[in-house]
Amino acid sequence: DQQVKQNSPSLSVQEGRISILNCDYTNSMFDYFLWYKKYPAEGPTFLISISSIKDKNEDGRFTVFLNKSAKHLSLHIVPSQPGDSAVYFCAARPSGTYKYIFGTGTRLKVLA
Amino acid sequence: SAVISQKPSRDICQRGTSLTIQCQVDSQVTMMFWYRQQPGQSLTLIATANQGSEATYESGFVIDKFPISRPNLTFSTLTVSNMSPEDSSIYLCSVVGTVASGMGYRNEQFFGPGTRLTVL
Repeated sequence: DQQVKQNSPSLSVQEGRISILNCDYTNSMFDYFLWYKKYPAEGPTFLISISSIKDKNEDGRFTVFLNKSAKHLSLHIVPSQPGDSAVYFCAARPSGTYKYIFGTGTRLKVLA
Repeated sequence: SAVISQKPSRDICQRGTSLTIQCQVDSQVTMMFWYRQQPGQSLTLIATANQGSEATYESGFVIDKFPISRPNLTFSTLTVSNMSPEDSSIYLCSVVGTVASGMGYRNEQFFGPGTRLTVL
């Protein structure tokens, strides 16, 4: 049972445009959500997070939106840059733990 | 943030053998984790490595197959025992560290570069 789902395995976006990566979850006990970015031959690196008490968190070009009623979160990258090309993982954790549940990832390709 | 290194970075092993993966952190951390990422799959938590006590394994993972050591607060090993081709994965070490945020500090999980294991 996949508790965190990223239904789009890949996404291509033109440089300068917006990239929108989506993530759905099923467990209502999740109270903290994160996005990680992964380059080939490297471990995932933390990008941005959001607590369940918020519906939006912004950090520079990156914004994460959380829709708790729909159990959906999204990552917006504006403007997209070629260096953003990577695999993006959505992750969630239940309240009171550090046991992150990861999605399968979305490979973003930003075209110059 | 924590800087994490893993050895080896990659290996090709024969069926039936065992491989021990090392994880070194540049600071003392309480919580260390081992993850596996099988081809095309998400990262899956194998176990939490506790210093001074036995590791805590997630459902589907057992100590006989994935013995873990945690001799101190900066180091851990994961052994993949009696390997089969199904064990071919990237194995990642992870720790919880502190990062500065707009509201002070918070704890986040940091990952090592991973060990890419291929079992023939």
